[in-house]
Amino acid sequence: GQQVMQIPQYQHVQEGEDFTTYCNSSTTLSNIQWYKQRPGGHPVFLIQLVKSGEVKKQKRLTFQFGEAKKNSSLHITATQTTDVGTYFCAVPFGDYKLSFGAGTTVTVRA
Amino acid sequence: DVKVTQSSRYLVKRTGEKVFLECVQDMDHENMFWYRQDPGLGLRLIYFSYDVKMKEKGDIPEGYSVSREKKERFSLILESASTNQTSMYLCASGSHEQYFGPGTRLTVT
Repeated sequence: GQQVMQIPQYQHVQEGEDFTTYCNSSTTLSNIQWYKQRPGGHPVFLIQLVKSGEVKKQKRLTFQFGEAKKNSSLHITATQTTDVGTYFCAVPFGDYKLSFGAGTTVTVRA
Repeated sequence: DVKVTQSSRYLVKRTGEKVFLECVQDMDHENMFWYRQDPGLGLRLIYFSYDVKMKEKGDIPEGYSVSREKKERFSLILESASTNQTSMYLCASGSHEQYFGPGTRLTVT
């Protein structure tokens, strides 16, 4: 599948702080999706970005698609313990298939 | 709500055994997927099915086969389990976004 790099692999955050995780591709993407997997759970779809420069918000989560459609970011403000988990970006390849990044695992210090 | 179920949450098998992992979805999706998830490697696609009896290899199909006899059911088969197949196996269905089952943690001893 298509390679997509996700950084950082681990993010340790103090509760209340902000952080950002990034997803980078060497090729132009038609769209990008983000998923969240809670500890012991399964990946759950969060959002899809399609347009160049698109920004979407879900409460404290802000998702952005780069102008060149080669990268994306997820920014979380005022991190809470409920944000703990692994966040994956996923990019399409072939028909209906997705290639997932390795994920950013977030832990929160209370 | 889309529901994807998997036959077992935990499974322990011996080396050389034949292993069947079952997945059922209730949303009439044509596309179904099997992934394995290992620490630091994300989700890797094993096989993909786009219709009944239709399948396509993913990134890591070696040592696995699949069966899709009914639209709602997609089975992953390990013909002869090996210790390097110890992993979390996730089934998913969907056309654009994917809906995942709870996963089966398989241990091969």
